[in-house]
Amino acid sequence: DAGVIQSPRHEVTEMGQEVTLRCKPISGHNSLFWYRQTMMRGLELLIYFNNNVPIDDSGMPEDRFSAKMPNASFSTLKIQPSEPRDSAVYFCASRHGLAGGNTGELFFGEGSRLTVL
Amino acid sequence: SQQGEEDPQALSIQEGENATMNCSYKTSINNLQWYRQNSGRGLVHLILIRSNEREKHSGRLRVTLDTSKKSSSLLITASRAADTASYFCATASEGTGRRALTFGSGTRLQVQP
Repeated sequence: DAGVIQSPRHEVTEMGQEVTLRCKPISGHNSLFWYRQTMMRGLELLIYFNNNVPIDDSGMPEDRFSAKMPNASFSTLKIQPSEPRDSAVYFCASRHGLAGGNTGELFFGEGSRLTVL
Repeated sequence: SQQGEEDPQALSIQEGENATMNCSYKTSINNLQWYRQNSGRGLVHLILIRSNEREKHSGRLRVTLDTSKKSSSLLITASRAADTASYFCATASEGTGRRALTFGSGTRLQVQP
């Protein structure tokens, strides 16, 4: 089985540009998560979806960030306009939802390393 | 702030030695999980321990959980150079309805050959 697929793996852009990160979760998984990893703040949850519906977006830094999940096999994280402080590794992860709300194992993609100059 | 905090932040040992990493957390949990991250890669799930379990084994891994102290430990026995990675604990909080994991700051393990 293919794992979680993220693209691009690396992105270098200039301040003010729009950045779109993409994620294809594992087939059959109904929960999708976007995390951001930096040296200073570690791994932070940005947003997660359950059955394509955003459940918790309280981690999204500000209005410059938006995420969509138009169908069960695709999600995007968009930053517009980008700023140098957005430089980080962005991870997508997916999980098959479990009954009773228990949180099981997450499967992570390899990440998208974003550098905003 | 991080729900889980790992200790130590960095650990360097010789191949064959055991490595112990600790994790403390703040709120009541449904379960606690440990993940490994090799440099430049995504996180990989290692083991999950439920709140009603005290110890769990998987190969060379041994995890303990003390809910009264809100702490967990990960022991890697007979370490190998390939175990060099960062290790993170992650918690699923109980009762909040939140389905997302909160990750700690990680322990960087270096195993010298």
